[in-house]
Amino acid sequence: DTAVSQTPKYLVTQMGNDKSIKCEQNLGHDTMYWYKQDSKKFLKIMFSYNNKELIINETVPNRFSPKSPDKAHLNLHINSLELGDSAVYFCASSQGRGYFYGYTFGSGTRLTVV
Amino acid sequence: DQQVKQNSPSLSVQEGRISILNCDYTNSMFDYFLWYKKYPAEGPTFLISISSIKDKNEDGRFTVFLNKSAKHLSLHIVPSQPGDSAVYFCAASVLGGGSNYKLTFGKGTLLTVNP
Repeated sequence: DTAVSQTPKYLVTQMGNDKSIKCEQNLGHDTMYWYKQDSKKFLKIMFSYNNKELIINETVPNRFSPKSPDKAHLNLHINSLELGDSAVYFCASSQGRGYFYGYTFGSGTRLTVV
Repeated sequence: DQQVKQNSPSLSVQEGRISILNCDYTNSMFDYFLWYKKYPAEGPTFLISISSIKDKNEDGRFTVFLNKSAKHLSLHIVPSQPGDSAVYFCAASVLGGGSNYKLTFGKGTLLTVNP
């Protein structure tokens, strides 16, 4: 039973399209995140929600919009996709800041924009 | 600006020997550090953490050492096993950072343990 599940696992789409990535966690955690791993392999925070409230919004283009309908879900919608958006997107969750047990990550969504 | 640096992109060790993975940081505000392990096509998995009030934390075969004056931490795996072959990410955070739950990650080190 997957703890943090992301769908889809792979996404290939054309420039200019709008796409969504869904994330669900069944751990009862109160905090969820989106991280992006770019071609240079850095994992960088994009957004974080705590109890459905946006608490981190890094310097990310407005084309990216997170939505958290409840504590167990955090979706990422991307408008007008660009080539540079190609990356692996990881969803994660934690209880509070996750300091003692870390984050639990999903297996990632590989987005390829052509 | 890389605040967390893992300068060795890869490391290869023999099974049974010690693996030492290194991490340096530049932000003196960081006071909590974590190591994550990642297999291909999977998300990172939390391994071990240490706060700046300690200089060592041990969990089974894994030990993390922190040298605050040098802004350096290392992960020791003893003995190394082939199943340890993965990418290891160092991450850092500010424990007292208000509502900021952000982890800053390094680029990772690919560890290969040869049988």
